[in-house]
Amino acid sequence: DTAVSQTPKYLVTQMGNDKSIKCEQNLGHDTMYWYKQDSKKFLKIMFSYNNKELIINETVPNRFSPKSPDKAHLNLHINSLELGDSAVYFCASSPYEGYEQYFGPGTRLTVT
Amino acid sequence: AQSVTQLDSHVSVSEGTPVLLRCNYSSSYSPSLFWYVQHPNKGLQLLLKYTSAATLVKGINGFEAEFKKSETSFHLTKPSAHMSDAAEYFCVVSEGYSSASKIIFGSGTRLSIRP
Repeated sequence: DTAVSQTPKYLVTQMGNDKSIKCEQNLGHDTMYWYKQDSKKFLKIMFSYNNKELIINETVPNRFSPKSPDKAHLNLHINSLELGDSAVYFCASSPYEGYEQYFGPGTRLTVT
Repeated sequence: AQSVTQLDSHVSVSEGTPVLLRCNYSSSYSPSLFWYVQHPNKGLQLLLKYTSAATLVKGINGFEAEFKKSETSFHLTKPSAHMSDAAEYFCVVSEGYSSASKIIFGSGTRLSIRP
């Protein structure tokens, strides 16, 4: 069984659209994260959730909003997509904040 | 302020020779340090972690790293490179285990293996 899964794997959409990426972990972890990886492989943490409480909210546009229906899921909603949002988005989970993380396979978002 | 610097953006070695990927960090507290590997078009996988126990940490696939507080370093090594080691490697520092913890990723080092 996949520990951290993301859907979809690829997402191609036009500017201005609204899209969501889903993430699920079956590890029983308390903390989940969203990262953005740009074309130069640089990883930027966007959000983390601990027991459905937002802990880290980096300086990302408010067009991005994380939503956690339960401890096993952390979805990422993006409104009014822009060209600069094109990147690979990774979901991750960890037993507790600050511990090692387990990453999903990534979602490659392309905005045209 | 917390930071992590990977000193080489690209390292190329021959198969069977040693690997050294360098990482320096700064932290106000006793940090936890991690190395992750990312193979092409894949997610990141934990290689090893240091969490204030033994300073020499052994990880998967023959990798190890040594925490040197005096040098603020956490370099990743492997005695003999294999073609399958070609990937992107990230050094990560984490400070604290609470809602105030910070996680900082290095900029990555691309490891190439020559046949």
